[in-house]
Amino acid sequence: NAGVMQNPRHLVRRRGQEARLRCSPMKGHSHVYWYRQLPEEGLKFMVYLQKENIIDESGMPKERFSAEFPKEGPSILRIQQVVRGDSAAYFCASSPQGTGIQPQHFGDGTRLSIL
Amino acid sequence: DQQVKQNSPSLSVQEGRISILNCDYTNSMFDYFLWYKKYPAEGPTFLISISSIKDKNEDGRFTVFLNKSAKHLSLHIVPSQPGDSAVYFCAASRGGSQGNLIFGKGTKLSVKP
Repeated sequence: NAGVMQNPRHLVRRRGQEARLRCSPMKGHSHVYWYRQLPEEGLKFMVYLQKENIIDESGMPKERFSAEFPKEGPSILRIQQVVRGDSAAYFCASSPQGTGIQPQHFGDGTRLSIL
Repeated sequence: DQQVKQNSPSLSVQEGRISILNCDYTNSMFDYFLWYKKYPAEGPTFLISISSIKDKNEDGRFTVFLNKSAKHLSLHIVPSQPGDSAVYFCAASRGGSQGNLIFGKGTKLSVKP
């Protein structure tokens, strides 16, 4: 999965702390997507961003979760006051701008564990 | 409410034979379908996709078939190789390639030498 870079790969937090997950899209890609995967489940869409804009956040919980993709720097998924149920693998994907069929390419994910 | 379903959690195939992975969907508005392969501790890797205006797309050993009337797609791998052993996810989108993807739960393929 060279290209989409996510860090950290593993993150451990205690209940009530904040978690920040970073994603740098592939070079030339201006669309970023965040997905969450629980054990034995498929990936679930959370949010779709372009530079400085949130396009679709229909899959993101209304409270504690936020995402941004600033003009400069990586996209950030922020989870405030984490709870045990936030433990999951969080994947970022990117795709290029423009017309035509372009698949989303994924990073290797951040595994978040809540103690 | 699962819009994309992969009803077989696992599949075991002999090396050299054909692997057929199946996927059903319920939303007739989906217009773009993809297959991803995933190894443990890695992200999904794109394999092959198909637009709803086609019924078949082929790339090397991988072929995807789409039956819109049955809301069914399948991935054929032939010949299967031990390195193909992984979890395969079917995904669908309503917005072409720019929409968010709806994933199935995956099928774990084991290819035995």
